Amino acid sequence: NAGVTQTPKFQVLKTGQSMTLQCAQDMNHEYMSWYRQDPGMGLRLIHYSVGAGITDQGEVPNGYNVSRSTTEDFPLRLLSAAPSQTSVYFCASSYSRPNAFEAFFGQGTRLTVV
Amino acid sequence: GEDVEQSLFLSVREGDSSVINCTYTDSSSTYLYWYKQEPGAGLQLLTYIFSNMDMKQDQRLTVLLNKKDKHLSLRIADTQTGDSAIYFCAEDSGAGSYQLTFGKGTKLSVIP
Repeated sequence: NAGVTQTPKFQVLKTGQSMTLQCAQDMNHEYMSWYRQDPGMGLRLIHYSVGAGITDQGEVPNGYNVSRSTTEDFPLRLLSAAPSQTSVYFCASSYSRPNAFEAFFGQGTRLTVV
Repeated sequence: GEDVEQSLFLSVREGDSSVINCTYTDSSSTYLYWYKQEPGAGLQLLTYIFSNMDMKQDQRLTVLLNKKDKHLSLRIADTQTGDSAIYFCAEDSGAGSYQLTFGKGTKLSVIP
């Protein structure tokens, strides 16, 4: 199993450009999420999905869109990149509860907006 | 709202015990978690504890939970250089919730 795969690993964008960060998992997990990690800020939830066709906003959703057309894929779209979106982005997936769940993280995408 | 606090840095000598502390605010959390992040990698679950337990031991790891004070700690016995990483405390938002709130992370440096 590949687990959670994120592409690309690194990306440089110019202000105003748009792009899609890809995330795919092969564990048949229902729950998927996107976080951003900034120095001294920990991880902050951007968007999440509890299944195909269902998405919801997290703590910092502005400037990002998501969709979940399949169980496997959960892309994150930056509509018009801004320097404030320079960050490391992590996708995570997990199986459904009711007990403690383990979130499996991808390797991250390091995005720089200039 | 939910908030999870941790100290940012910890330095220990190889072979000593490390204790990483965390405080949280959400009393409805059902589980609390410790994740480890090695340089350039994603987070990996280390261990977790049910909110009604006060201790959990897993090989070199001991988790202590004081629910009254909302204080969580992770003790790593016989700390090795391979334990150097960032450790994140996290809480869920209660039964049926899929959301995790993470602390800012504690960077553990192990001195040989």
